[in-house]
Amino acid sequence: DQQVKQNSPSLSVQEGRISILNCDYTNSMFDYFLWYKKYPAEGPTFLISISSIKDKNEDGRFTVFLNKSAKHLSLHIVPSQPGDSAVYFCAARRNSGGSNYKLTFGKGTLLTVNP
Amino acid sequence: DGGITQSPKYLFRKEGQNVTLSCEQNLNHDAMYWYRQDPGQGLRLIYYSQIVNDFQKGDIAEGYSVSREKKESFPLTVTSAQKNPTAFYLCASSTSHNTEAFFGQGTRLTVV
Repeated sequence: DQQVKQNSPSLSVQEGRISILNCDYTNSMFDYFLWYKKYPAEGPTFLISISSIKDKNEDGRFTVFLNKSAKHLSLHIVPSQPGDSAVYFCAARRNSGGSNYKLTFGKGTLLTVNP
Repeated sequence: DGGITQSPKYLFRKEGQNVTLSCEQNLNHDAMYWYRQDPGQGLRLIYYSQIVNDFQKGDIAEGYSVSREKKESFPLTVTSAQKNPTAFYLCASSTSHNTEAFFGQGTRLTVV
């Protein structure tokens, strides 16, 4: 059973426009969410995170929104740049309840930003 | 420079042979993880360790083994029991607090 879902395998946007990547989760125990960016044959790099006590976190061009009631989060990239083209992974973890710090990942969304 | 190092970057093995992938970190992180990436599958957790001399199975542990004798090191052995070992393997580490996990550059294992 997939606990973190990224239902769009790919997304194509024009340079300068907004990119919106979506992620849904099913496990209500998740309370910390992260977005990673990954290029082929490289390890993922951390982009931005959000705790369940917040509904928005912003870092430069990247903003993550969390809707706990819908178990949905999204990553907004504004403005999109060609260098943003990569696979984006949504991940979730349960920080409370003791010693479980493992991350559960979605399958990723390939973002292509066209010049 | 602090970081997490995986070696080698590319590895070729014959079917039926065990192979060990190295992962070392100098970030003083307590927790370490092994993930596997296959096309269209995202990252799936193989094993994780939250302290030295302790580790737990992840979602796809069958055919793999690990050890955590030192805080800095978390090697992964792909045994001959793993039915589809060809994949991209990623090691990660994190503190025990509310922070992100840092990933190594990965090892591409090809079994022929």
